Amino acid sequence: QKEVEQDPGPLSVPEGAIVSLNCTYSNSAFQYFMWYRQYSRKGPELLMYTYSSGNKEDGRFTAQVDKSSKYISLFIRDSQPSDSATYLCAMSRGGGNQFYFGTGTSLTVIP
Amino acid sequence: SAVISQKPSRDICQRGTSLTIQCQVDSQVTMMFWYRQQPGQSLTLIATANQGSEATYESGFVIDKFPISRPNLTFSTLTVSNMSPEDSSIYLCSVDSGRSYNEQFFGPGTRLTVL
Repeated sequence: QKEVEQDPGPLSVPEGAIVSLNCTYSNSAFQYFMWYRQYSRKGPELLMYTYSSGNKEDGRFTAQVDKSSKYISLFIRDSQPSDSATYLCAMSRGGGNQFYFGTGTSLTVIP
Repeated sequence: SAVISQKPSRDICQRGTSLTIQCQVDSQVTMMFWYRQQPGQSLTLIATANQGSEATYESGFVIDKFPISRPNLTFSTLTVSNMSPEDSSIYLCSVDSGRSYNEQFFGPGTRLTVL
């Protein structure tokens, strides 16, 4: 079983839609949860960084962590064509330990 | 966030040759990381490079194949040695944020094709 599972998509939505991206994981020791956005032929860009369970909001982006279900989500409100990218989830136990990444979900927002 | 550059941005190499990838950061950082990103697969950590010490390699990666240098707090190199087509991938360096080891920023990547 992989440490982190992420549906690769592709996901295609109309502009203005609410997008939900999800990852599940198997290691209950994970404490830190990240979402990265990666445009084509670019490196991953850190979007959201959360510790333990709960929600974190930053503009149109909301990250949710449910440790009891080993499930994390990223919501994008009022999606824009510029949000079209691959979204990677990542997590770690903390203390400089290794990051574990999902395979990424490809998102296209259609104008 | 730190500004990270990588050279080369892409290269096409022949089987059996070696390529050295450079990673430069605009500020001093403690930890630098090297990843491989293959199509349809998650980012895989190759090694962690701390200045002044030997790099720490993850399972499946060895120093003879992926030698790493970390001469100072702003620079690192990764060499892909004796390349085969299976080494075709994107190679990424990343650094910790300085605020937390759990916050990493990535360079733009080096796209390597081995013929």
